[in-house]
Formats: sequence, structure tokens, C-alpha cells
Amino acid sequence: GENVEQHPSTLSVQEGDSAVIKCTYSDSASNYFPWYKQELGKGPQLIIDIRSNVGEKKDQRIAVTLNKTAKHFSLHITETQPEDSAVYFCAARVGGFKTIFGAGTRLFVKA
Amino acid sequence: KAGVTQTPRYLIKTRGQQVTLSCSPISGHRSVSWYQQTPGQGLQFLFEYFSETQRNKGNFPGRFSGRQFSNSRSEMNVSTLELGDSALYLCASSLVPESSGNTIYFGEGSWLTVV
Repeated sequence: GENVEQHPSTLSVQEGDSAVIKCTYSDSASNYFPWYKQELGKGPQLIIDIRSNVGEKKDQRIAVTLNKTAKHFSLHITETQPEDSAVYFCAARVGGFKTIFGAGTRLFVKA
Repeated sequence: KAGVTQTPRYLIKTRGQQVTLSCSPISGHRSVSWYQQTPGQGLQFLFEYFSETQRNKGNFPGRFSGRQFSNSRSEMNVSTLELGDSALYLCASSLVPESSGNTIYFGEGSWLTVV
């Protein structure tokens, strides 16, 4: 069945360092890969997304890469700040109807 | 433009009771999906509605049901509540479900505690 694996489950970095979160999806029909940030007590907020016809996308300090052959995609956050501390979820959308989420990565940015 | 609105934000119910949660999507969005979020299971897909029709359903028992109204607002119902139903229930809306790469936007969620 459809599955998205996300690693690591917890990530601790020093302020200013980079953070990388990796995901693997199982269904080759997946065509859309969003990333969400969830702060305590709030719903997940979309931070960046990538479609299957694109290999990389950047938005200021955030970038996402996609390797369709390996069915891997990654989130890169550069120059991390304390306000980047949150839980990050990757997801893969299959067939336009269902989004499958990874288990989440809790990111701690130490000042 | 207002975001996805969920009510109530917090509620406590007793085992065996039933609960109804409400979701108003972003204006113009016609698709609504529901997710259950728990510490152990992460974000689990419940179901998705478009044009008042259920388009897809996750692996949840029949105690979990939903519906969508003509104005795209949606409700989900859980009957015969169990302790394990305690979770954050998230509603997400999108323009339409069919198009590729359709972004979904989440509400703040409804925190349900079953005692």
C-alpha cells in the first residue's frame, strides 16, 4: 500500500547550521510532494511543495529536492533560526485524491 | 481571505457518547478532507469530500462518518466514542481534488478528549 517514510524523527541543530529531513515514498504514481510545518497547538502549515516534473525548488532559506527514480525527496533548511523549531511533515499525494503523510520530524534549533 | 475554520476547538466527551465536528473550508474551495492526528500514529487520513460526495476513505471503522453540504461546509461524526479516539482532528480544504498537485490547507483542528 501507499507509504511515506520520514527520517530522522528528531533533529537537533545549532542556530545558523543547516537541517536536512529525508522522505521516501512507495507509490510511483505520486506526483505532488508538499512539506508542512506544525507548531505547538496549531494545524500544519504548508511551507513548500514540489511537483513530479521538477527536481528542485527553493524559497529563501528552504529548498526541496526530488529524485523520482529513487522515490526520495528532501527538505533543506539553511541558516536555521530558533523559530524554525517545530514538527515538519513530508507528504506524497497519490492520484489527486489522497495525501499520505510521513511520521514527522521534530526539529530543535538551539540558540 | 479567511482560512479553514474548525469548531469546536476543544471538547471532552465520555466513552460511548457521540461527537460532531464542523469544518468551513476556505472560500471557493470545494474539497474537504479530514485527518486524525495522534502522537503514536501521526496524521491519518479519514476521508475526503467533494461536491457533497465522499471521494476517498481511509482505514477507520464505520463509527467514523462524515458529510459535506452544498456550501462545501463539512461535518464529521464519531459514534460510540472510545478512549483511543482522543486526538486532534484536522480538516483541510482544497480547490478541487482531481487536478494534479492540488494543495491542501489545514485548519487549527479540534482537540477531542474521551474520558
